[in-house]
Amino acid sequence: DIQMTQSPSSLSASLGDRVTITCRASQDIGNYLTWFQQKPGKSPRRMIYGATNLEDGVPSRFSGSRSGSDYSLTISSLESEDVADYHCLQSIQYPNTFGAGTKLELK
Amino acid sequence: QVKLLQSGAALVKPGASVKMSCKASGYTFTDYWVSWVKQSHGKSLEWIGEIYPNSGATNFNEKFKGKATLTVDKSTSTAYMELSRLTSEDSAIYYCTRCRRGTVLYWYFDFWGPGTMVTVSS
Repeated sequence: DIQMTQSPSSLSASLGDRVTITCRASQDIGNYLTWFQQKPGKSPRRMIYGATNLEDGVPSRFSGSRSGSDYSLTISSLESEDVADYHCLQSIQYPNTFGAGTKLELK
Repeated sequence: QVKLLQSGAALVKPGASVKMSCKASGYTFTDYWVSWVKQSHGKSLEWIGEIYPNSGATNFNEKFKGKATLTVDKSTSTAYMELSRLTSEDSAIYYCTRCRRGTVLYWYFDFWGPGTMVTVSS
C-alpha cells in the first residue's frame, strides 16, 4: 500500500500566519492527490484536487503544490474559519490511502 | 444539485450486522464509483472500498474484505454497505462519496454524504 505521511499532526497558528501542511507519498502518485478540510461534525470538504487545482468556491488563500513526492497545502493568511482538520488522499493506486490528518488551531 | 443522502445512526450489538444506505441524486448514478470511508476517533480516515453502479464491480481495501459488503440498487440510485460480525472496532462514522475514475481528476471525491454513525455496544 502507498503510505501517505502527513505532517504536522497538529499545528497552532495566529490569524494572518502562513500555514503549510505536507503529505509525503511512499511511491509515485503523480498528481492523484486531494486535500480535504473537515470541521467538527461535518463531512470532509474537497479543497484541492489533482494536487494543485483549487476547488470551486474555495478561497484563493488556499493553494496546493508538489515537489517530488511531497505535496503541500498552504494557507497564505490564516483566517478563523480555517480552523479545522485537514486530510490528504492518494487515489492512483488501490487501496486509496489517506494521511493521518492535521489539526489546525488558533494560537 | 448533487446530493448523497445517508441513512441514520445505528446502535448495534457485538456480533450483529448493520446495513447502511447512500442515496444519490442530481447526477447520473451509474457514471460514478461510490466509495465508502471510515472515520474512527474523530480524526483519521480509511478508504474501505468502492462499487461501480453500472456493473456492480467492486474494489476493496484488503483490511475490509470479509467485513464490508457493497451493493447498489440502480432503480433507486442507492448504494449500500453492510458490515458484518461487528466489534467495538467498527464503531465509527461511515461516509459515502463519489468518484469518476480516470485522468480527469476534477471528478474525484467532490461530493460526500453526511455520514452514518455506527455504535457497537451491548
